[in-house]
Amino acid sequence: QQQVKQSPQSLIVQKGGISIINCAYENTAFDYFPWYQQFPGKGPALLIAIRPDVSEKKEGRFTISFNKSAKQFSLHIMDSQPGDSATYFCAAKYSGNTPLVFGKGTRLSVIA
Amino acid sequence: DGGITQSPKYLFRKEGQNVTLSCEQNLNHDAMYWYRQDPGQGLRLIYYSQIVNDFQKGDIAEGYSVSREKKESFPLTVTSAQKNPTAFYLCASSHGEGSGETQYFGPGTRLLVL
Repeated sequence: QQQVKQSPQSLIVQKGGISIINCAYENTAFDYFPWYQQFPGKGPALLIAIRPDVSEKKEGRFTISFNKSAKQFSLHIMDSQPGDSATYFCAAKYSGNTPLVFGKGTRLSVIA
Repeated sequence: DGGITQSPKYLFRKEGQNVTLSCEQNLNHDAMYWYRQDPGQGLRLIYYSQIVNDFQKGDIAEGYSVSREKKESFPLTVTSAQKNPTAFYLCASSHGEGSGETQYFGPGTRLLVL
């Protein structure tokens, strides 16, 4: 059973537009929700993360929206740029020293 | 420079051969992880270790083995029992419990079967 479901699988956005990637999780014991960005041939890097006690977190052009009751969270990229073209992974984690559980990823292409 | 190094960048395996992927970190992290990445499958956990001389199986441990003899090193062996080893392998590390959640990833090793 997939614990973190991510959609869409791929996304094409015009330069300057808003990119939106969604994730849903099953287990209410998760208490940490990061988003990772991965460029081709590289390892993923943390982009932004949120805990369930807040509904939104913004860092520059990147915003996480979190809906605890719906067990959903999403990544919004404002003013999307060609340099944002990458694969984005959502993840979830239990408290303590436990591994991340990843979604299957979204390949974002920002076209001029 | 602090970080995670993985070697080699590319690795070729022959039929019936065991190969070992190296992962070293100088971040003084207690926990280390191995993930396998296949197109459209996301990152799947192979093994993880929370402390030296201890490790746990992840979701897809069959055909793999690990050791954690030193805090900074967590090598992964892909055995001949792993029938479909072609993938991108990622090592990660994080601080121990209560010290931070972020997992930091290495640059990856791409394993190809000859």
